[in-house]
Amino acid sequence: DVKVTQSSRYLVKRTGEKVFLECVQDMDHENMFWYRQDPGLGLRLIYFSYDVKMKEKGDIPEGYSVSREKKERFSLILESASTNQTSMYLCASRKTGHPLAFFGQGTRLTVV
Amino acid sequence: AQSVTQLDSQVPVFEEAPVELRCNYSSSVSVYLFWYVQYPNQGLQLLLKYLSGSTLVKGINGFEAEFNKSQTSFHLRKPSVHISDTAEYFCAVSVKTGANNLFFGTGTRLTVIP
Repeated sequence: DVKVTQSSRYLVKRTGEKVFLECVQDMDHENMFWYRQDPGLGLRLIYFSYDVKMKEKGDIPEGYSVSREKKERFSLILESASTNQTSMYLCASRKTGHPLAFFGQGTRLTVV
Repeated sequence: AQSVTQLDSQVPVFEEAPVELRCNYSSSVSVYLFWYVQYPNQGLQLLLKYLSGSTLVKGINGFEAEFNKSQTSFHLRKPSVHISDTAEYFCAVSVKTGANNLFFGTGTRLTVIP
């Protein structure tokens, strides 16, 4: 089975801190995605990557950056965390040419 | 651009009753369609998918959905719900070409009442 692992299930950070959310997949997928999930808004795409060192902005990239130095790892970075970034963050991966995406368990981030 | 509309944000239903969760999409090109389920404090789990072929697709846990191209709908149904079906359900689409990004609806919270 495909496994997408997010490093933390729950995270509490202070306003202004630099925050790293890590995601690792073990099936050699080319494409990786970061979403945030908020009540009433569903899942919104923050960034995605279709290859190592490649990245594309999604619908809500402001306040975030990403890093993909290795194929299996896709990191989401909050340069200076703010309270409006309190949310559930979901990572996903997918093989090019295949329609199915696989999701991690999510990281619930609280910024205080 | 693609968009997904889930008109019902919350659906309460009694145990063993049937349920339908509605999903409509908008796209100028052919799409794949998905339903995901999210149990409390968990990630997303694929419930079922429509890629091509028969418009009636069956998924896990007794759920099924029907793709209706003329009405651009992909409604999810179950003839008899169980307490354990209480969860949030997301409809999603992706185009068949290009980046294949998933576009999600806003979700429907299904609450099964004993």
